[in-house]
Amino acid sequence: GQQVMQIPQYQHVQEGEDFTTYCNSSTTLSNIQWYKQRPGGHPVFLIQLVKSGEVKKQKRLTFQFGEAKKNSSLHITATQTTDVGTYFCAGPVLNGGSNYKLTFGKGTLLTVNP
Amino acid sequence: DAGVTQSPTHLIKTRGQHVTLRCSPISGHKSVSWYQQVLGQGPQFIFQYYEKEERGRGNFPDRFSARQFPNYSSELHVNALLLGDSALYLCASSLVGGRGTGELFFGEGSRLTVL
Repeated sequence: GQQVMQIPQYQHVQEGEDFTTYCNSSTTLSNIQWYKQRPGGHPVFLIQLVKSGEVKKQKRLTFQFGEAKKNSSLHITATQTTDVGTYFCAGPVLNGGSNYKLTFGKGTLLTVNP
Repeated sequence: DAGVTQSPTHLIKTRGQHVTLRCSPISGHKSVSWYQQVLGQGPQFIFQYYEKEERGRGNFPDRFSARQFPNYSSELHVNALLLGDSALYLCASSLVGGRGTGELFFGEGSRLTVL
């Protein structure tokens, strides 16, 4: 069935280093969303990408949606300890009839050494 | 404005028991989704309701059921609990349902431990 896959599963960096997580879908997605979950917390929406090749920036975070709308990436420049958490991508997957379910990847856990 | 509220926040049950989890969406949101999150994994879709109608069901056994009330709040029921049902149960509300688009607003979750 349709899946949303993420790599790497874990990433440990020194504060100030860059970080990238990648998301791939087995099928074309109408949109891709990114969420952040702090340790012990709940997922919080970061952004939604809709257009092929779209690039959006939020301060030190850069989000990309692939040309084929099957892959996406999140890049953080000069990580800070406040960036610690698990980053999830999520995409709509057909779930019977014309309904879609938002399907999450397994996430990338980012830890930052100060 | 209040965010998504869930209750209880923590609960401990034994195998074979049943549990009911409750969720109140953000005011104005008509869709509620339920997700199960096992430690170290991403949220797994269980149900989505929109305007009191089921709009989707994930790959979970019939022991899992849910409903949405006229005020758009929702309950998730799990019968005959198994050890493997131990997880964080997340409720998320959104403006629309069934389209897989638009931001999900998650509650803090209900952490269920089955002994």
